[in-house]
Amino acid sequence: AQRVTQPEKLLSVFKGAPVELKCNYSYSGSPELFWYVQYSRQRLQLLLRHISRESIKGFTADLNKGETSFHLKKPFAQEEDSAMYYCALRTIQGAQKLVFGQGTRLTINP
Amino acid sequence: NAGVTQTPKFQVLKTGQSMTLQCAQDMNHNSMYWYRQDPGMGLRLIYYSASEGTTDKGEVPNGYNVSRLNKREFSLRLESAAPSQTSVYFCASSKTGSGEEQYFGPGTRLTVT
Repeated sequence: AQRVTQPEKLLSVFKGAPVELKCNYSYSGSPELFWYVQYSRQRLQLLLRHISRESIKGFTADLNKGETSFHLKKPFAQEEDSAMYYCALRTIQGAQKLVFGQGTRLTINP
Repeated sequence: NAGVTQTPKFQVLKTGQSMTLQCAQDMNHNSMYWYRQDPGMGLRLIYYSASEGTTDKGEVPNGYNVSRLNKREFSLRLESAAPSQTSVYFCASSKTGSGEEQYFGPGTRLTVT
């Protein structure tokens, strides 16, 4: 079965420090990976997807098929990055479905 | 555009009561989804509708039914609520189901006592 694991429920870093949110997946085929974010009092929204290979709000994520990981990184955290982050997997078989990880609550301390 | 709207925002039910959660989107999307969000478990798909007239089970469909009333609306019904259904429910939509961005509603916080 497909699964997404985010090992850290909570992550706290200081403003200006690098941040890395971990995501590991289990799937034998070619996955599509996404990061969704939910800021306080806002809706869940797409942050980035691996096929776009773009940087959004300074965040990047690289799909590592060998390690089955899709970690989210930002070199210098900002206070407005505090939010709940979800990694999600779309499989070819489950074309309509996203499988979400448990989520990581990121807090940026001033 | 309002995007994806959900009603109600909050609801408290007694065990055994029934209710319907409403969801509508004004983006002319084909696919719609219902998720539940529980602490430590992320979002889990309950049901989805790839297109108007079709529905299919997701990861946790037991205890729920859905209706894709038309292209805009996708409702979720709890026939006999149980405390285990206490959760935050999110509706989402996407243009198609093919890996495109899903747009989420604001959520409904449901408590079953």
